Amino acid sequence: DAKTTQPTSMDCAEGRAANLPCNHSTISGNEYVYWYRQIHSQGPQYIIHGLKNNETSEMASLIITEDRKSSTLILPHATLRDTAVYYCIVRAYYNQGGKLIFGQGTELSVKP
Amino acid sequence: DTEVTQTPKHLVMGMTNKKSLKCEQHMGHRAMYWYKQKAKKPPELMFVYSYEKLSINESVPSRFSPECPNSSLLNLHLHALQPEDSALYLCASSQDPGFSPLHFGNGTRLTVT
Repeated sequence: DAKTTQPTSMDCAEGRAANLPCNHSTISGNEYVYWYRQIHSQGPQYIIHGLKNNETSEMASLIITEDRKSSTLILPHATLRDTAVYYCIVRAYYNQGGKLIFGQGTELSVKP
Repeated sequence: DTEVTQTPKHLVMGMTNKKSLKCEQHMGHRAMYWYKQKAKKPPELMFVYSYEKLSINESVPSRFSPECPNSSLLNLHLHALQPEDSALYLCASSQDPGFSPLHFGNGTRLTVT
């Protein structure tokens, strides 16, 4: 699976949009972009995934560039409870028997 | 609350002990996973079970022995562990092994003394 690059940490003011970038310049045609987050002392939580179109879930929106080399996860109105480590993961469709490999992630701090 | 339940939440064991971690899901998922997470690091994949058969072993030492008794249960048997094996052990499940999102439990915090 392609490697991803994310900023180590980001801050966001409560109530503002949090935009988390991810680079995946070596992504191939059958690879999807997944986002998970991990709140302190909990297991990772699935947020959203996409192939090439923009996607929206209850929690967030995913914007993938046309060349698919980067993406942005948007939390439209961040709250203190959104403070977590956010992982951007590229995962091949049905390849490698289900492997989901985590990178280093972005530590998002939402501040009052 | 998560739909993947892990027990116990905390475990302290000596290097000569034998213990087991348990994971249960009732979502009808057919793939189950074990991950290990050290402090301030991302989760690392250990094992994948697909339709109750071990499909991936990420070169994990034999002192960790997974078992999938049925489609709802996943165990991790521990024997002769080292202090460096102290970590958070996470279980996850997904509807199928290739594509579906993973649902994680909140883990077992293991300390090896």
